[in-house]
Amino acid sequence: KAGVTQTPRYLIKTRGQQVTLSCSPISGHRSVSWYQQTPGQGLQFLFEYFSETQRNKGNFPGRFSGRQFSNSRSEMNVSTLELGDSALYLCASGLIQGGTDTQYFGPGTRLTVL
Amino acid sequence: SQQGEEDPQALSIQEGENATMNCSYKTSINNLQWYRQNSGRGLVHLILIRSNEREKHSGRLRVTLDTSKKSSSLLITASRAADTASYFCATDATGNTPLVFGKGTRLSVIA
Repeated sequence: KAGVTQTPRYLIKTRGQQVTLSCSPISGHRSVSWYQQTPGQGLQFLFEYFSETQRNKGNFPGRFSGRQFSNSRSEMNVSTLELGDSALYLCASGLIQGGTDTQYFGPGTRLTVL
Repeated sequence: SQQGEEDPQALSIQEGENATMNCSYKTSINNLQWYRQNSGRGLVHLILIRSNEREKHSGRLRVTLDTSKKSSSLLITASRAADTASYFCATDATGNTPLVFGKGTRLSVIA
């Protein structure tokens, strides 16, 4: 079975721009979660989608948004980028909602905001 | 905010030695998981232990959970250079809440 894929792997943007990141979960998985990882804050939960509905949301500003499609693929969008948005963005998929079971992570998208 | 806090923050050992990492958390949990991350890459699931379990083994890994002390430990026996990575514990409060990660322990295994 193919693992979780994330595109693009690397991205460089400038302040004020917007960015869209994509995540394809493992086939059959209906839950997709997004995390932001920075050296200072560690792994911070952004949001989780399950069957196209946002089920949980972390403590991030409204500039961060996401969605999930009927094939379970997910996108997250960050508008009006700030320098502090530079991070590794990780996507994880699971069979069921929440952290009850194993989460399978993708390789991440490294976003650099200049 | 982080639920789990790993200790130590960094650990350096010789190949063949055992490595022990600890995780403490604040609120009641449904289960606790350990993940490994090689530098700048995605996380790999190592082991899951449920709140009603006390100990679990997987290969060279041994995890214990003490819910009365709100703590867990991960033991890697006979460590190898390939075990060099960051190790994170993650907890979920109930079945429908997302995983909350600690800041991790950086393990260096020197050949």
